[in-house]
Amino acid sequence: TQLLEQSPQFLSIQEGENLTVYCNSSSVFSSLQWYRQEPGEGPVLLVTVVTGGEVKKLKRLTFQFGDARKDSSLHITAAQPGDTGLYLCAGGDGGATNKLIFGTGTLLAVQP
Amino acid sequence: ETGVTQTPRHLVMGMTNKKSLKCEQHLGHNAMYWYKQSAKKPLELMFVYNFKEQTENNSVPSRFSPECPNSSHLFLHLHTLQPEDSALYLCASSQDGANGELFFGEGSRLTVL
Repeated sequence: TQLLEQSPQFLSIQEGENLTVYCNSSSVFSSLQWYRQEPGEGPVLLVTVVTGGEVKKLKRLTFQFGDARKDSSLHITAAQPGDTGLYLCAGGDGGATNKLIFGTGTLLAVQP
Repeated sequence: ETGVTQTPRHLVMGMTNKKSLKCEQHLGHNAMYWYKQSAKKPLELMFVYNFKEQTENNSVPSRFSPECPNSSHLFLHLHTLQPEDSALYLCASSQDGANGELFFGEGSRLTVL
């Protein structure tokens, strides 16, 4: 069974601080996606990484895919209250339909 | 209409009831999915439909019965559920296969008494 473990599970920080969320697995994935879910909403895609070692930046968010395509990290610089939410990583199997294995989730609260 | 719409948003049902969850996507996508989101557990894939054909049943109990009459609509029929089935049920759609983005609805919050 493929599992994606995220750490930390919960994170409460002050506005302006930096943070990193980790997503680890013993399985290799063809792609790794990161989603953010706000209360009462469904998850929304932030980024997809497909190449081992790939780094993508989205404003204050930096995503990295591990060289072996088994792990990923999300770094947020100068966090804002609007970054609050549940962050989910998801590994793709590269099949005809996108069957994603979701991680355990990281709940982030950014206090003003 | 927004991309993926789920109804009802909230549902309370007894263990002997029969109810259905509905999902509609307005994005012209080929594939539709049901996921279950429970507290303290990862999102669990339940069913996948591609061009109306079921391509994945992730060992889901038969008390959950999906139906996909066309590429835009997906139902989840519920009967004789258990309290542990209480969860947020999320519908999603996607256009591309591998590595494609999933577009999620807002979910249906189900409580089984």
